[in-house]
Amino acid sequence: GDSVTQMEGPVTLSEEAFLTINCTYTATGYPSLFWYVQYPGEGLQLLLKATKADDKGSNKGFEATYRKETTSFHLEKGSVQVSDSAVYFCALSDRSNYQLIWGAGTKLIIKP
Amino acid sequence: EPEVTQTPSHQVTQMGQEVILRCVPISNHLYFYWYRQILGQKVEFLVSFYNNEISEKSEIFDDQFSVERPDGSNFTLKIRSTKLEDSAMYFCASSDPLRDSNEKLFFGSGTQLSVL
Repeated sequence: GDSVTQMEGPVTLSEEAFLTINCTYTATGYPSLFWYVQYPGEGLQLLLKATKADDKGSNKGFEATYRKETTSFHLEKGSVQVSDSAVYFCALSDRSNYQLIWGAGTKLIIKP
Repeated sequence: EPEVTQTPSHQVTQMGQEVILRCVPISNHLYFYWYRQILGQKVEFLVSFYNNEISEKSEIFDDQFSVERPDGSNFTLKIRSTKLEDSAMYFCASSDPLRDSNEKLFFGSGTQLSVL
């Protein structure tokens, strides 16, 4: 079945560092890909998404490109802030039933 | 911005008791969902609901679980006889396919269920 694999956390970086959180997927068909973020004490929020190969999703300085050839959707940010500390989830959507398949989540800790 | 609200934020119950988790989806949304996240594990799909009936459900969603939209605003998840392994964070979500497509889900902040 479809699945999503994320790099394990926690990932600890200093403020203004470059961030990459790896995400790869397996899927039949052509899923949409998402990054969700969960800030401490809050629910899940959609961060960005991409619906087809080579699409780049972006929001709040974060970017991810849908790479069909490598089945990847890595999350990047050029300069992280303390306020980016959260758990980040990669997910894919099977368009036949719109269920979201989730990665395990990666906790990001940004130190001042 | 409109949001999905869930109550209570934390529910503690004894094994074998019934619990009802409540959600108020965004008012003009048409699809409703329940997901859960056991501590340290992945978020798992439980059920989706459209037009007053279940449209999809996972293997987790067995006879102990039920969902209901008792009025025009609430969407509830009932667990009839809780087990220890039901302890998890339960997330409600809703979507509006006419505006955002079903792929954009809006999540509530979750209900942490602890079964003792």
